[in-house]
Amino acid sequence: KNEVEQSPQNLTAQEGEFITINCSYSVGISALHWLQQHPGGGIVSLFMLSSGKKKHGRLIATINIQEKHSSLHITASHPRDSAVYICAVKGYGGSQGNLIFGKGTKLSVKP
Amino acid sequence: EPEVTQTPSHQVTQMGQEVILRCVPISNHLYFYWYRQILGQKVEFLVSFYNNEISEKSEIFDDQFSVERPDGSNFTLKIRSTKLEDSAMYFCASSEWRLAGTYEQYFGPGTRLTVT
Repeated sequence: KNEVEQSPQNLTAQEGEFITINCSYSVGISALHWLQQHPGGGIVSLFMLSSGKKKHGRLIATINIQEKHSSLHITASHPRDSAVYICAVKGYGGSQGNLIFGKGTKLSVKP
Repeated sequence: EPEVTQTPSHQVTQMGQEVILRCVPISNHLYFYWYRQILGQKVEFLVSFYNNEISEKSEIFDDQFSVERPDGSNFTLKIRSTKLEDSAMYFCASSEWRLAGTYEQYFGPGTRLTVT
């Protein structure tokens, strides 16, 4: 059983659309990360959340600890947002780096 | 903006050979990590390193793997005798130290290792 589940696996959107990517997890966590993986493979950290909501530009991340669920929203999507978006959680205990990763959501935004 | 760098970007090696993957973390960061991603699969944690020692390692990080901070800037991952299944993208990451809480991680661009 995967401890971190993302949906959808693949998402195609038209430029300008509002996008939501979901992440559900089954373990208790101290933090949740949203990461962006570019087509070339590089990974960029977008958000780290332990509660509530964070916003950066057109990106919004929310987390509901009780429901073990987080969402990543992209407003006014653009072709340059095309990437794989990865949810990763940090469980209780252990080192900071021991993250459990989801399989990712591949987003393609068409012009 | 400071960034994590990794060299080489692509390494091709023969099975049984030793490889060393290099990383330069962000200069004021104290926690360092290695992850790997086999093609088409999810990213997996390998090892955390702090204060010149391993703070945690995964089941993947067996005796064939080692990490080292040979000087004040580099952080290396060595695979002693590579196997075909070691072919993957290897990511280095670093984070700063804080008194409490969880730390944002900064990832390098990755080294693609191909074992033939």
